[in-house]
Formats: sequence, C-alpha cells, structure tokens
Amino acid sequence: DAGITQSPRHKVTETGTPVTLRCHQTENHRYMYWYRQDPGHGLRLIHYSYGVKDTDKGEVSDGYSVSRSKTEDFLLTLESATSSQTSVYFCAIRQGDNEQFFGPGTRLTVL
Amino acid sequence: GQSLEQPSEVTAVEGAIVQINCTYQTSGFYGLSWYQQHDGGAPTFLSYNGLDGLEETGRFSSFLSRSDSYGYLLLQELQMKDSASYFCAVRTNAGKSTFGDGTTLTVKP
Repeated sequence: DAGITQSPRHKVTETGTPVTLRCHQTENHRYMYWYRQDPGHGLRLIHYSYGVKDTDKGEVSDGYSVSRSKTEDFLLTLESATSSQTSVYFCAIRQGDNEQFFGPGTRLTVL
Repeated sequence: GQSLEQPSEVTAVEGAIVQINCTYQTSGFYGLSWYQQHDGGAPTFLSYNGLDGLEETGRFSSFLSRSDSYGYLLLQELQMKDSASYFCAVRTNAGKSTFGDGTTLTVKP
C-alpha cells in the first residue's frame, strides 16, 4: 500500500468557483500524477510532478494548475470551475520503476 | 502524440481464456502496462512489459511486440470477479503515461 489519500472524496460546486483537490502520500515517492476519468474513457493525464516544485503538463492541462511544495502533497486547482470539469479525479504515484498506484479518487460535480 | 486502440467490450464464460489486444502509436515508447478497474474503484496495476515477450503473473499474462506496436493481456481460468475494465497504458521516456479507453470484460457463468 503506497499510502495515498485524496481529499475531498466528493465535492459539488458551482460554475466559476475555485476548487482545490489534495493528494497526500506517506512514502516519499518522487513522481506524482493527476488524472481525470470520464464515463467510458480511460484516464487522461492532467499534470504530473517529478519532484518538489517540478511539474509538467499532461494532455488535458487547460483550466488546471498544480503545486507541489512538499514531497508528500500534490495539489490540483481548478481556478474557475466549469461544467466540463465534472469528472472523477485520480491521483497516482509511481511505485518502483513502472507501476502506478492510484488513490481512491475524488468525484467532482460542477453545476 | 500518443494513441492506443483496444476493444471496448469482451464477453467470456467462467473458466475460459480471454485475450485483450492493445495497439499503440507513440513517440519515445518506454513500456506497456495493464491495469484493472472495478466499477467505482481505483485502477490497480496488473503487469508491465518493457521488452518483447511474455510476462506471466499467476492467471494473467501480458505480451509485447515493440516492432508491431502491439501487446495483449491474457486472462486464464476466468472467474466472475474478473469482470472489470482493463486498460493498457503506454509509458514514454519522459515518464508520462497515456491510457487506452478501456475494455469492459464481462464474465458469465
């Protein structure tokens, strides 16, 4: 168990409001990832981090920003939420050389 | 960019063998992984292939052909609990992973 938690687990918000999702890990893994998953689709990478203050964009980064000021925390921020950002968000860490271990997910609804 | 193709649905009966194929187009290919996801749950890692050939882990095996940009996941002695979605994912040299849209496996009694 890679000790990943996500908070909140569920959130309902309104269009135009800022939202921050938190991913917390307890085992000092260097690589952390944020994905979104929509019905009938795989996971799409939003942003990832390869160390403290080191982040890069994924394939669907528009409308999202991230920060990693400590090894254990990787924050995903929606500056102004839109209905198209309604999704399930998964955080993951890279465990070993090739395995990603996923957190339990956050279900976000933007009304 | 990266793209992956896998069948959207597969149905099989308990005890049977099923193969889920994955073809990919990518630059900077590093390896191919497989994940399982049950409804409402998080994806869980099943296997990884970095080199050509077959990797076996219990009832599950995974195969990669880098020259054909092709891989598959083989599930043997199917059980009802194997009903889930299965995703292939390509990892690039940059450390990013791109996931396919998933294959929904239904195991029938």
